[in-house]
Amino acid sequence: GIQVEQSPPDLILQEGANSTLRCNFSDSVNNLQWFHQNPWGQLINLFYIPSGTKQNGRLSATTVATERYSLLYISSSQTTDSGVYFCAVDDTPLVFGKGTRLSVIA
Amino acid sequence: NAGVMQNPRHLVRRRGQEARLRCSPMKGHSHVYWYRQLPEEGLKFMVYLQKENIIDESGMPKERFSAEFPKEGPSILRIQQVVRGDSAAYFCASSYRDQPYEQYFGPGTRLTVT
Repeated sequence: GIQVEQSPPDLILQEGANSTLRCNFSDSVNNLQWFHQNPWGQLINLFYIPSGTKQNGRLSATTVATERYSLLYISSSQTTDSGVYFCAVDDTPLVFGKGTRLSVIA
Repeated sequence: NAGVMQNPRHLVRRRGQEARLRCSPMKGHSHVYWYRQLPEEGLKFMVYLQKENIIDESGMPKERFSAEFPKEGPSILRIQQVVRGDSAAYFCASSYRDQPYEQYFGPGTRLTVT
């Protein structure tokens, strides 16, 4: 089945810093989603982005389907951005990466 | 528009008991998916259902686990004779259309087996 790799596995940022999270996948996909799992365990949809670029406030994402990767950009990070960021691709069913654990410190 | 609802949010069971987890999809969604998250890991697919049908159960353990999505009411994930290794967070997701389509997740049920 498809493999999904996320990097880095852990990231510590000072509040206000920018970051880029990466998701590589081993085969072509029809769907790619980014999620934020907050410290309370809830999964929040960030982007549905099988290709192209989208922006939502301080977050943006780009998927280059032909090169099999997606990037999540977080600008001006805040402590509320802390948690685990998951990339998931649709290989029927949805296959998740292991996540990037982000800690934003004040 | 209410999101995906799951209950209970926390469930404690002794070894050998049964666990029943409920999921109500978003309004207008007829596709439901169950995932399991073990501590410090990503989510793993278990089963995909539409109303009254199991579409894909390739991720379900062969024994003790079953799922249904009746014509009326929520989807149920049932775990019989729970063991400590079943302790995990169980998430339900729903989508409007058949895969591939954006999935929306519920808050999860945290099952602890003592």
